[in-house]
Amino acid sequence: DVKVTQSSRYLVKRTGEKVFLECVQDMDHENMFWYRQDPGLGLRLIYFSYDVKMKEKGDIPEGYSVSREKKERFSLILESASTNQTSMYLCASRAGDSGSYEQYFGPGTRLTVT
Amino acid sequence: DAKTTQPTSMDCAEGRAANLPCNHSTISGNEYVYWYRQIHSQGPQYIIHGLKNNETNEMASLIITEDRKSSTLILPHATLRDTAVYYCIVRGSQGNLIFGKGTKLSVKP
Repeated sequence: DVKVTQSSRYLVKRTGEKVFLECVQDMDHENMFWYRQDPGLGLRLIYFSYDVKMKEKGDIPEGYSVSREKKERFSLILESASTNQTSMYLCASRAGDSGSYEQYFGPGTRLTVT
Repeated sequence: DAKTTQPTSMDCAEGRAANLPCNHSTISGNEYVYWYRQIHSQGPQYIIHGLKNNETNEMASLIITEDRKSSTLILPHATLRDTAVYYCIVRGSQGNLIFGKGTKLSVKP
């Protein structure tokens, strides 16, 4: 079974702190994604990566950056956390381009910024 | 990118079939329809996907209309554990999945 793990289920940080959210997948997938999920807004794509050291902006990249130094690991960085970044963060991975785009999701990290 | 429209919520009696509709009238010829679900406080879970033909797996069946403008996810014998938000998704142009607001399915005893 594909496994996508996230470093924390729950996280509380203060405004202005630098926050790292880690995601690891064990299926040698080329593509990895970071989403945030907010009530009434559904899932929104923040950043994605289709290869090591490659990254692309999603729909809402402002206030975030990412790092992909190894194929299995995709990190989301909040340079200076703000209260409007309180959200559920979901990581996903997918195999390389093909006709199918099945994504596997991690359990999520619920981040609260106070 | 093709968008989807789903009812906000549905109820289903335990043991009965749950039929969840989805409209995707702007879908293009090479785009797949995916269904995911999200149980409270968990990450989304893949259910099934299809292009033109009807599909079935151990979790569900997917019926796609001939013109591909709509589809129906069928859970043949819904259980309480199937209570979740169900997302009908068409692949986006960047390789990401565009999630709408989904349908909250409540399975009741």
